[in-house]
Amino acid sequence: DAMVIQNPRYQVTQFGKPVTLSCSQTLNHNVMYWYQQKSSQAPKLLFHYYDKDFNNEADTPDNFQSRRPNTSFCFLDIRSPGLGDAAMYLCATSRQGLGQPQHFGDGTRLSIL
Amino acid sequence: AQKITQTQPGMFVQEKEAVTLDCTYDTSDQSYGLFWYKQPSSGEMIFLIYQGSYDEQNATEGRYSLNFQKARKSANLVISASQLGDSAMYFCAMGPRGSNYKLTFGKGTLLTVNP
Repeated sequence: DAMVIQNPRYQVTQFGKPVTLSCSQTLNHNVMYWYQQKSSQAPKLLFHYYDKDFNNEADTPDNFQSRRPNTSFCFLDIRSPGLGDAAMYLCATSRQGLGQPQHFGDGTRLSIL
Repeated sequence: AQKITQTQPGMFVQEKEAVTLDCTYDTSDQSYGLFWYKQPSSGEMIFLIYQGSYDEQNATEGRYSLNFQKARKSANLVISASQLGDSAMYFCAMGPRGSNYKLTFGKGTLLTVNP
């Protein structure tokens, strides 16, 4: 039973062509996160939502935007993907509170042609 | 600022043996949490175990235990009775104990379990 679902699993887009990655959750967690993970590197937090409050990391490129229309769904929009944006994108959710772990989806692997 | 150091890029272990994956951390926070995640080659991140900085006892979850030495700022993961399915990348991470919004990850250790 998948609890954090990311679609699609693999996404190919063209250089400069906008792309949207989606994430949904059945856990009813109030915090959702987007991470970028490049090959052989640790995940890097891009932004997170605490309920509807959006929190952007200082070094997240302006090219990256996010939307959270409701508790269950969250989207990552890349407005003009460059070759350097090819990576695995991981969505995670958590409850707020002491020691609450983040639960990750399977990720979307983005390729840029 | 928080920093996680995993000094072992790769580790090998024989099936059924125990293995320790090292993790040291640096933080000026008095209260924080430490997490271990497993990432198989398929890509998903799987939560394994959590240790709070004020927890007296080392955390255990099945075959996983966390050897927490606060004075040394280390939080090593011990996997007992290794299985072939344990072959994966393992990440140590830390975050403020009050919230886990900003997890800081180490670079990871690639564990290979040999039959």
